[in-house]
Amino acid sequence: DAGVIQSPRHEVTEMGQEVTLRCKPISGHNSLFWYRQTMMRGLELLIYFNNNVPIDDSGMPEDRFSAKMPNASFSTLKIQPSEPRDSAVYFCASSLATQLEQFFGPGTRLTVL
Amino acid sequence: SQQGEEDPQALSIQEGENATMNCSYKTSINNLQWYRQNSGRGLVHLILIRSNEREKHSGRLRVTLDTSKKSSSLLITASRAADTASYFCVWPLPNTGNQFYFGTGTSLTVIP
Repeated sequence: DAGVIQSPRHEVTEMGQEVTLRCKPISGHNSLFWYRQTMMRGLELLIYFNNNVPIDDSGMPEDRFSAKMPNASFSTLKIQPSEPRDSAVYFCASSLATQLEQFFGPGTRLTVL
Repeated sequence: SQQGEEDPQALSIQEGENATMNCSYKTSINNLQWYRQNSGRGLVHLILIRSNEREKHSGRLRVTLDTSKKSSSLLITASRAADTASYFCVWPLPNTGNQFYFGTGTSLTVIP
């Protein structure tokens, strides 16, 4: 298995632009998580899906952030409009709902100028 | 932190020495995990210990859990340069199924 796949790996954009991050979970995993990691705040859970349904989005910082999971093999995290304080590494992770271990993707490093 | 903390924040040791990292949490938990993150990479699961276990081993890793003190430790024996990474203590958020709080992490440097 290729593991969790994220794209792009790096994204540099200007303030106000729309940013879309993509994730392909491990095949067969039915839980998917989006995290944000910064030096100041560490690793924060933004939203998680179970069987493609958003279960808890209380970690989404603002309405500028939205996430979708149209099918079991694909999820997006969108920021519109982006701001410099959104600069961070965004991780996607997946797991089996019956297990506690999460498998992380390599992350997308986002820089908003 | 309101959730807990890890110490030390950073640790530097010589190859071959043992490294010990500690974690404290504030809620009641039924399991605790440790993850490793190499620079520029995603987190990788190392080991899980359940609340009815006091100690668990995996290769050169030894994890302890003291639920009365709400603390855990990760010991890496005979460290190698490749062990250089950040190590995170992870425990479930209250009243959730598979949502977790990730500690602040310990940055370990093993000097060859």
